[in-house]
Amino acid sequence: EIVLTQSPGTLSLSPGERATLSCRASQSVDTSYLAWYQQKPGQAPRLLIYGASIRATGIPDRFGGSGSGTDFTLTISRLEPEDFAVYYCQQYGSSPPYTFGQGTKLEIK
Amino acid sequence: EVQLVESGGGLVQPGGSLRLSCAASGFTLGSFEMNWVRQAPGKGLEWISYISSSGSTIYYADSVKGRFTISRDNAKTSLFLQMSSLRAEDTAVYYCARGWLRSDYWGQGTLVTVSS
Repeated sequence: EIVLTQSPGTLSLSPGERATLSCRASQSVDTSYLAWYQQKPGQAPRLLIYGASIRATGIPDRFGGSGSGTDFTLTISRLEPEDFAVYYCQQYGSSPPYTFGQGTKLEIK
Repeated sequence: EVQLVESGGGLVQPGGSLRLSCAASGFTLGSFEMNWVRQAPGKGLEWISYISSSGSTIYYADSVKGRFTISRDNAKTSLFLQMSSLRAEDTAVYYCARGWLRSDYWGQGTLVTVSS
């Protein structure tokens, strides 16, 4: 089973700042198989990034994904008030389980 | 408009059973892989099951294997999760989600509470 470890657990930033969220895998993950989701309280997750770096439909270009192998990053270039939420990475490896990271909470400083 | 609507959640005693449904609209269900993902109160997301577009390939997380059964009825545009031998640790919001490699649409979730 591939374990995804996200860091930091909580990130405190101000609107306008840059956010960098990390997702580290216990073994190599094909870039095609790595996605990022955003979840706000009381809502379902929302797809942000798939294929490690491809923005989903309607996602603003301030969201960017990068990485390969075991290290992946979600970057939000300039935080907007609506970006404060919990972020999860997920891997869809060649075999299940299709694990999620434990999440990073992005909170307003 | 693509929509996924889960139903069937509720309060059930330990050891009991429940069947969740996910009604799909706005797209051809039979063209997409589907997943069930759950979220315990205050916790993160946990993938629990996958079914291929035809239903011929099915996977489960170890935590539910042997107790939960995923199925689909493409003609009736619905996805199902039959849950049995329920435990307190199965208490969660259960989401259906469309797609493999990227889950681009999710339902609003249905709450399952396992308690005596």
